[in-house]
Amino acid sequence: SSELTQDPAVSVALGQIVRITCHGDSLRSFSASWYQHKPGQAPVLLIYAHNSRPSGIPDRFSGSNSANTASLTITGAQAEDEADYYCNSRDSGGNLVVFGGGTKLTVL
Amino acid sequence: QVQLVESGGGLFKPGGSLRLSCAASGFNFNDNYFSWIRQAPGKGLEWVSYIGGRTDTIAYADSVKGRFTISRDVAKNSLYLQVDSLRAEDTAVYYCARGTTNYYYYAMDVWGQGTTVTVSS
Repeated sequence: SSELTQDPAVSVALGQIVRITCHGDSLRSFSASWYQHKPGQAPVLLIYAHNSRPSGIPDRFSGSNSANTASLTITGAQAEDEADYYCNSRDSGGNLVVFGGGTKLTVL
Repeated sequence: QVQLVESGGGLFKPGGSLRLSCAASGFNFNDNYFSWIRQAPGKGLEWVSYIGGRTDTIAYADSVKGRFTISRDVAKNSLYLQVDSLRAEDTAVYYCARGTTNYYYYAMDVWGQGTTVTVSS
C-alpha cells in the first residue's frame, strides 16, 4: 500500500482553478514532487521540492505544502490538462521512494 | 537531446528471468541517480528501485526486494534491471527515469517511453 494518499478522481470546469492533494506522514519531513501522466506517454515532472517548476512547465501549475499535505494547483485548467496526476516523495525513513495512488483529472 | 530509451520488454513465462535496459544520452550519466518505475495495467505508478551517487547507492521497494537487481554501466551510459522468478503481477510498463535529488526530495525529471513486460504462461 502507498504511504501517500490521493483522491482517485477530481473534476474542474474549463478555465477554473483546481487543487489536487496528497497526504502522508513522510511529507512532514520530505518534499513532494508532482507528475502529469497521459495514456501512452511518459510521465512529465511538473513540480519538485514542493513548489519548483522545471523549465518548460507552464506557470499555471504550482505546488504548496502544509504539515502532512502537499497540493498541486492548476490555475485556469485547460482541456489538455486532462490526465492522471501523481505525487511522490521519499518514504518516512528517507531511503525509499513512494508514489501516491494517482488522481484522474477531468476537465469539463 | 536528453533522452532515455528502454528495451528488453516482451512476453515471458512465470518463473523465468528478464533484463531490461535503458540507454541514456544527452547528459552526464555518471552524475545522476536513476530509477525504475512500473505501471501495471489499470494501476498507478510504482517506484521499483534506484541507483546513484558516487558509491552506487541502491534501494528497492519492499515489493520487489530479493528478485530485482538494478545496475548500471557508466562506460555504456546504460541502466539495467534484472528480474528473476517472474510473476504474473510483474506484468507492467517499466519506465526508467533520471533522478534529481537531495536529502529532502527525490524527483524524476527525465523519463523514457517505457517498455512493456507481460508475464503469462
